Amino acid sequence: AQSVTQPDIHITVSEGASLELRCNYSYGATPYLFWYVQSPGQGLQLLLKYFSGDTLVQGIKGFEAEFKRSQSSFNLRKPSVHWSDAAEYFCAVGASSGYSTLTFGKGTMLLVSP
Amino acid sequence: NAGVTQTPKFQVLKTGQSMTLQCAQDMNHEYMSWYRQDPGMGLRLIHYSVGAGITDQGEVPNGYNVSRSTTEDFPLRLLSAAPSQTSVYFCASSLQRNNSPLHFGNGTRLTVT
Repeated sequence: AQSVTQPDIHITVSEGASLELRCNYSYGATPYLFWYVQSPGQGLQLLLKYFSGDTLVQGIKGFEAEFKRSQSSFNLRKPSVHWSDAAEYFCAVGASSGYSTLTFGKGTMLLVSP
Repeated sequence: NAGVTQTPKFQVLKTGQSMTLQCAQDMNHEYMSWYRQDPGMGLRLIHYSVGAGITDQGEVPNGYNVSRSTTEDFPLRLLSAAPSQTSVYFCASSLQRNNSPLHFGNGTRLTVT
């Protein structure tokens, strides 16, 4: 069965510093990988996705993620964090057969300090 | 654009009561789904539908019923609420194309006492 691990429950980053959120997945074939962000009281918004091709994918709000098959990882990065990036971030893995197969990680809460 | 609309935003039920969480989307999406979000658990799929008249179970379907009579609406029914169903519920929809993003509603926070 597929699974997603986000090792960090909380991360605190200073505003302007760089950010990396970790995501490891378990999946038997080539996965579809996603990062979502959830602001308080809101639904989830898609940041970026990887289906195939270039392993470095660019998303919205200045985020990027790199797919590393050898490490089964899909880490999310941002070079300079803004206070508005404080939110909860979810990594998800799915199959090509559709969204019913999507499995979410438990989330990482990002706190941004001034 | 309204996107995915969920009502109500908040609800308190007593154990054994029934209710329906509403979800509507105006994007003509074939795929619709319900998730529950619990602290430290991420999102777990309850039920989903790939089109009108077609529904299937997800990871945690027990205690919930769904139907899909139209493309736009996908209500989630709790027939006899239990405290274990206290959670935040999200509806999401998408086109059936694999590279189409999943759109989420803003959630319904349900408390069962």
